[in-house]
Amino acid sequence: AQTVTQSQPEMSVQEAETVTLSCTYDTSESDYYLFWYKQPPSRQMILVIRQEAYKQQNATENRFSVNFQKAAKSFSLKISDSQLGDAAMYFCAYRRGGGGATNKLIFGTGTLLAVQP
Amino acid sequence: NAGVTQTPKFRVLKTGQSMTLLCAQDMNHEYMYWYRQDPGMGLRLIHYSVGEGTTAKGEVPDGYNVSRLKKQNFLLGLESAAPSQTSVYFCASCDRASGNTIYFGEGSWLTVV
Repeated sequence: AQTVTQSQPEMSVQEAETVTLSCTYDTSESDYYLFWYKQPPSRQMILVIRQEAYKQQNATENRFSVNFQKAAKSFSLKISDSQLGDAAMYFCAYRRGGGGATNKLIFGTGTLLAVQP
Repeated sequence: NAGVTQTPKFRVLKTGQSMTLLCAQDMNHEYMYWYRQDPGMGLRLIHYSVGEGTTAKGEVPDGYNVSRLKKQNFLLGLESAAPSQTSVYFCASCDRASGNTIYFGEGSWLTVV
């Protein structure tokens, strides 16, 4: 079975600094997707960034980028120039590729990010 | 631009009562999911559906039932609520055309006393 592990329950960063959130996963599949979701206090789930396993290039979305190490099954999120609005719970998630009955999103336990002014 | 809508947003139940959470999506998505979120445990999949008329069990299905009679709606039922079912419930949907990105509702806070 696939699993997603986030080993950092809480992280803190100074405003304008850079922080990296860790995520590892376990799967025997070759076709899959990885995601980072942000959940602010409002509890809304917001997609931050996604990565297709078949792509070697790391995904980037403005100040957010990932370091995808397929062989090591590692998928870390780097937030540059941290802003107060980045404070939230961050979830790493895995989804098997293709369609069918096993196409479900599996989450890690989350990392709570605090941003210090 | 509704996306995924959950009702109700908040509910307090007494132990043993029943209720239904409704999830509606207007994106013509094939796949729909119900998750529960508890402190320190991330989101855990309860049940999911890959199309109208079909449902399947997720990681934590006990105590819940679901139905997908219409493509746009996915109902989550609690037949006899227990305090262990106090949680925040999220509905989500996706389709191949959405690039495998899953869209979430805003959550439903359920307290069982």
